[in-house]
Amino acid sequence: EAGVTQSPTHLIKTRGQQATLRCSPISGHTSVYWYQQALGLGLQFLLWYDEGEERNRGNFPPRFSGRQFPNYSSELNVNALELEDSALYLCASSFHLRGASTDTQYFGPGTRLTVL
Amino acid sequence: AQSVTQLDSHVSVSEGTPVLLRCNYSSSYSPSLFWYVQHPNKGLQLLLKYTSAATLVKGINGFEAEFKKSETSFHLTKPSAHMSDAAEYFCVVSEPATGAGKSTFGDGTTLTVKP
Repeated sequence: EAGVTQSPTHLIKTRGQQATLRCSPISGHTSVYWYQQALGLGLQFLLWYDEGEERNRGNFPPRFSGRQFPNYSSELNVNALELEDSALYLCASSFHLRGASTDTQYFGPGTRLTVL
Repeated sequence: AQSVTQLDSHVSVSEGTPVLLRCNYSSSYSPSLFWYVQHPNKGLQLLLKYTSAATLVKGINGFEAEFKKSETSFHLTKPSAHMSDAAEYFCVVSEPATGAGKSTFGDGTTLTVKP
């Protein structure tokens, strides 16, 4: 069974540009989560999508946005890039059943974003 | 509100000796708890999870963790360290799916294994 995939592996942008990161969940999973792992700051929750809807977001400015497509894949967009956006961006997926116990998240390999 | 504290940022052991990575949590709900491992420049791999079944949870690669509600702890152990265990380990507490649906990660513990 294929795991969570992310593209691109590496992305280099300059300050002020926009970045688009993509994630394909495990087949059958309906939830996608995005995390930022910046050096020295640990893993920070960004966004949670389920069934095409944004369900929750972390403490990030509105220039971090995304969407989930009908096939449950997801895109993270970061506008007006700043130097501190340089980080490893991790996507995770889970099967979300409303009313069920907490879902286990399975992670992709990440996209390394470098802002120059 | 939920939180998780990994008590050691770095742990160093010799190959063949036991590993103990400590994690304390706080949660308003009956928590689900996870341990993940991350090797350099890789994504996170699930080691094990606790979801209110047996308090002693066995995971992959010989790791296990014990949920202790009275101590609000979920420490990760392994009887004998292997060189390939050198990595960063994250303890995670997660709210129920009917709640906010997000996980809170600890700051991570870097495990070094000496030959």
